[in-house]
Amino acid sequence: EPEVTQTPSHQVTQMGQEVILRCVPISNHLYFYWYRQILGQKVEFLVSFYNNEISEKSEIFDDRFSVERPDGSNFTLKIRSTKLEDSAMYFCASSDYRDRNYGYTFGSGTRLTVV
Amino acid sequence: KNEVEQSPQNLTAQEGEFITINCSYSVGISALHWLQQHPGGGIVSLFMLSSGKKKHGRLIATINIQEKHSSLHITASHPRDSAVYICAVTLFSSGSARQLTFGSGTQLTVLP
Repeated sequence: EPEVTQTPSHQVTQMGQEVILRCVPISNHLYFYWYRQILGQKVEFLVSFYNNEISEKSEIFDDRFSVERPDGSNFTLKIRSTKLEDSAMYFCASSDYRDRNYGYTFGSGTRLTVV
Repeated sequence: KNEVEQSPQNLTAQEGEFITINCSYSVGISALHWLQQHPGGGIVSLFMLSSGKKKHGRLIATINIQEKHSSLHITASHPRDSAVYICAVTLFSSGSARQLTFGSGTQLTVLP
């Protein structure tokens, strides 16, 4: 069964540094997403990406965040000038609404710890 | 304002019991998703519903659009069903991107 692959599984970074979280979505899916989950809280939407551009973004997705799909397969989330409050699990997902059963496939997540 | 409410927050059951987890939402949706989150954190899609009922193995999901309510049922529960079950919706207002708005999840523990 096709999977969404995320790397790394864990990332520790110093406050103020830049991090790049990587994802390989399912190739024939149309929409790509980043979500995050702060420990003990609900999952929150960050950004959606369609046709090589941002489709929607939340208030969390401020100027320090950016996304790219540089080579048609990888989908990256970059966070510049990281803050302690960026510590969370970050999930990549892709969707194909032609799939009437699930719609969404999630990656296994990257746990980001900012120290 | 919580657009998606789940109950109960925590549920402990004995192996073999029939389990129901409820989800209510307050706004118009185009689809409702039931997801399972394992202790390691990974999220697995269980169902996507826009009407009626779906069944997969021991899992059954129903939705009542008029009442803005969905239920996830697990029959003959097993300790391996222990996980967080999350209800998430695609709001009409989310536009073509159809991003999900999540509930807080229900922590299910099934005891042997």
